[in-house]
Amino acid sequence: EVQLVESGGGLVQPGGSLRLSCAASGFTFSSYEMNWVRQAPGKGLEWVSYISSSGSTIYYADSVKGRFTISRDNAKNSLYLQMNSLRAEDTAVYYCAREGGGMATIGTFDYWGQGTLVTVSS
Amino acid sequence: DIQMTQSPSTLSASVGDRVTITCRASQSISSWLAWYQQKPGKAPKLLIYKASSLESGVPSRFSGSGSGTEFTLTISSLQPDDFATYYCQQYNSYSRTFGGGTKVEIK
Repeated sequence: EVQLVESGGGLVQPGGSLRLSCAASGFTFSSYEMNWVRQAPGKGLEWVSYISSSGSTIYYADSVKGRFTISRDNAKNSLYLQMNSLRAEDTAVYYCAREGGGMATIGTFDYWGQGTLVTVSS
Repeated sequence: DIQMTQSPSTLSASVGDRVTITCRASQSISSWLAWYQQKPGKAPKLLIYKASSLESGVPSRFSGSGSGTEFTLTISSLQPDDFATYYCQQYNSYSRTFGGGTKVEIK
């Protein structure tokens, strides 16, 4: 069974930093692209960042570019999001999401974690 | 970035109703469109990919259509478990974007 379990969320002051982790199991982690998607309280979904299976290709949403860093450790079956210079508008539930592995599903998110809440407030 | 616009934002319907949700892209995305269902406090669930392909395990009352810039999600006969928020998502470009969501409420 595919499982994605996020951790590392919490309350942080504006300008602070936080590192999110996502532990993957039930599939060959090193074969799949991964993403972070967030959802502000009561709002819609926003894609945050993508990393290829090897880690060699990375993309970010404009809203987080230069402040967030995505990474992965395939030996540990883990995905990370380092978040620096946090702002109030970064307050959200952060989900890690696996990309579909087929030709028609690469770019979709076929498995999601339960999410971890990040609150940026003084 | 490609913008995705969903309508309506809220929809009131009864069990058994046929429901249609529309999603428009700001530029052509071919058929690279997915639909998700999200219930309160839960992660989204993939329903449809490549505009019209049903994800494994998803009931056949869900269907998708469209290409280019206009897409629809149809629920042929709304069931109690279907009251939720639905999102479209384009994956034509590396910068994946979601629509604003459509909340399907009980009438």
